[in-house]
Amino acid sequence: DIVMTQSPDSLAVSLGERATINCKSSQSVVFGSSNRDHISWYQQKPGQPPKLLIYWASTRGSGVPDRFSGSGSGTDFTLTISSLQAEDVAVYYCQQFCSSPYTFGQGTKLEIK
Amino acid sequence: EVQLVESGGGLVQPGGALRLSCAASGSTFRNFWMHWVRQPPGKGLVWVSHINNDGSETTYADSVRGRFTISRDNAKNTVYLQMNSLRAEDTAVYYCARSVGGFDSWGQGTLVTVSS
Repeated sequence: DIVMTQSPDSLAVSLGERATINCKSSQSVVFGSSNRDHISWYQQKPGQPPKLLIYWASTRGSGVPDRFSGSGSGTDFTLTISSLQAEDVAVYYCQQFCSSPYTFGQGTKLEIK
Repeated sequence: EVQLVESGGGLVQPGGALRLSCAASGSTFRNFWMHWVRQPPGKGLVWVSHINNDGSETTYADSVRGRFTISRDNAKNTVYLQMNSLRAEDTAVYYCARSVGGFDSWGQGTLVTVSS
């Protein structure tokens, strides 16, 4: 199984500042001949289902603000929020969608400093 | 965007069974893979199972393989999760989700509590 490890477990950032969350996979998440890293990022607020932010490591989901960006390749990936807004307080998860089981990271709790 | 609505959760005794349903809106349901993901109280997301678009391929997490069965009825736009031999550690909110690149649509979840 591919193990997904996020860092840090929690993060406090001032409003307007940059927030960076890291995700490391235990092996490559490139699927077949697609040449795409099958990494997704999700945001989950209390009492709500997760929301897709990023897929294929760097493609923003529908309606996702452009302050959210994804980067990385191979086994190391990053979610960046360029200018933190109050509504971004949430838990963030990475996930690999390369091979079953489609494992999630343990989550990173993002708070306002 | 598709709307997904789960049902079938509730309180069940250890060793018991439940069947969860996930009804999808829209006529393109048959084109997409579907998944079940669970979240134990206060904990993170755990992928449970997937089924491909025509139901010919399914996979499971090790923790549920042999006890849970995923299926779908494309005529009814519904995916199911039959859960047998339930254990306390299966207690969680269960979400169904559609995958297109990533998991782009999620239901609101249904709570399954396994307790005597």
